[in-house]
Amino acid sequence: QKEVEQDPGPLSVPEGAIVSLNCTYSNSAFQYFMWYRQYSRKGPELLMYTYSSGNKEDGRFTAQVDKSSKYISLFIRDSQPSDSATYLCAMSEGRDDKIIFGKGTRLHILP
Amino acid sequence: DAGITQSPRHKVTETGTPVTLRCHQTENHRYMYWYRQDPGHGLRLIHYSYGVKDTDKGEVSDGYSVSRSKTEDFLLTLESATSSQTSVYFCAISPGTARHGYTFGSGTRLTVV
Repeated sequence: QKEVEQDPGPLSVPEGAIVSLNCTYSNSAFQYFMWYRQYSRKGPELLMYTYSSGNKEDGRFTAQVDKSSKYISLFIRDSQPSDSATYLCAMSEGRDDKIIFGKGTRLHILP
Repeated sequence: DAGITQSPRHKVTETGTPVTLRCHQTENHRYMYWYRQDPGHGLRLIHYSYGVKDTDKGEVSDGYSVSRSKTEDFLLTLESATSSQTSVYFCAISPGTARHGYTFGSGTRLTVV
């Protein structure tokens, strides 16, 4: 079992829809959870990070962590064509500088 | 990308030639990383550095070497380039705890022909 699993997609949704992106993980020691957005031919950029379980909201984006299920989600409300990108989840135990990345989900928002 | 610059942005080279990619940061971060990104494989760690002259291998280090003689510069060298090393290479930096993630450069697109 890989440490972090993420559906590669592509996921296509109409503009204005709510998008749900997810990752599962196997290491119960992970405590810090991140989402990166990567536009085509660009480097990944940090979108959100959360600590432990719970929700964190930033504008149209909500990150959710369920440590009991080892499951994290990123929700995008009122999706826009500019949200079309690859989204990578990432996580860390926080004891050292090691981050484990998911392989990313390609998202297409259809105008 | 603020504080981190990769050069060159694009490079085409021939099989068997040595190639050096450069990562330069202005954030004074302790940790620097080299990743490659390929379809179906995601980001894979090649080498990383936790200080000047302190480096270690990642999961796909064969055929690559690194050097860090100054805090701000981290060089990745392909000793003898092969077609399997055609990829997009990303440098990343971190202050040292990873709790808030890494900052990535814009990438170098390398083609080995």
